[in-house]
Amino acid sequence: GQSLEQPSEVTAVEGAIVQINCTYQTSGFYGLSWYQQHDGGAPTFLSYNALDGLEETGRFSSFLSRSDSYGYLLLQELQMKDSASYCCAVRGNAGNMLTFGGGTRLMVKP
Amino acid sequence: NAGVTQTPKFRVLKTGQSMTLLCAQDMNHEYMYWYRQDPGMGLRLIHYSVGEGTTAKGEVPDGYNVSRLKKQNFLLGLESAAPSQTSVYFCASSSFGLMNTEAFFGQGTRLTVV
Repeated sequence: GQSLEQPSEVTAVEGAIVQINCTYQTSGFYGLSWYQQHDGGAPTFLSYNALDGLEETGRFSSFLSRSDSYGYLLLQELQMKDSASYCCAVRGNAGNMLTFGGGTRLMVKP
Repeated sequence: NAGVTQTPKFRVLKTGQSMTLLCAQDMNHEYMYWYRQDPGMGLRLIHYSVGEGTTAKGEVPDGYNVSRLKKQNFLLGLESAAPSQTSVYFCASSSFGLMNTEAFFGQGTRLTVV
């Protein structure tokens, strides 16, 4: 089967940097993704890592270490609008299944 | 572009009733997924499909059935609804390639079973 672990909640102040970790277990790993979900909304795609290393997209970066089955999402220059849940997701089972972690609720304070 | 459209957006069912949730995508995606999300929880995969005419079980398939008769549509059925199936249901689709893993989500169906 597949499973992902991430912290349930993180709090940070506006302008700061926050890192959200994700560890996973899966068979037939194809890649790790991150999604953002605001309250009452649908998940939206943020980033994807298939290979080890850091991927940067604006204020957001994502890192993957396949040997450690570990990844993280880094959010810089936090803004109030970044308050949301952030979910890691893994493609497993030869790339067919997309399984999500429980989500990390980020609260950005002034 | 419509993207991924879910019908209906809200529904209240009585225990034992049946219903079908429809997911339609206009992006010619091969992969489609049904998830449920309970309050304060993450997305849990119910069933998925890797192409027209194919379906497979996810993490929590019991009490649900699916069909993918047309590539653009993925139907989720509840044969005999139970209060435990009260949840928000999300459909997603993707054209997963070697380096592409973005999944597009519908806006969700809020289902209450009383």
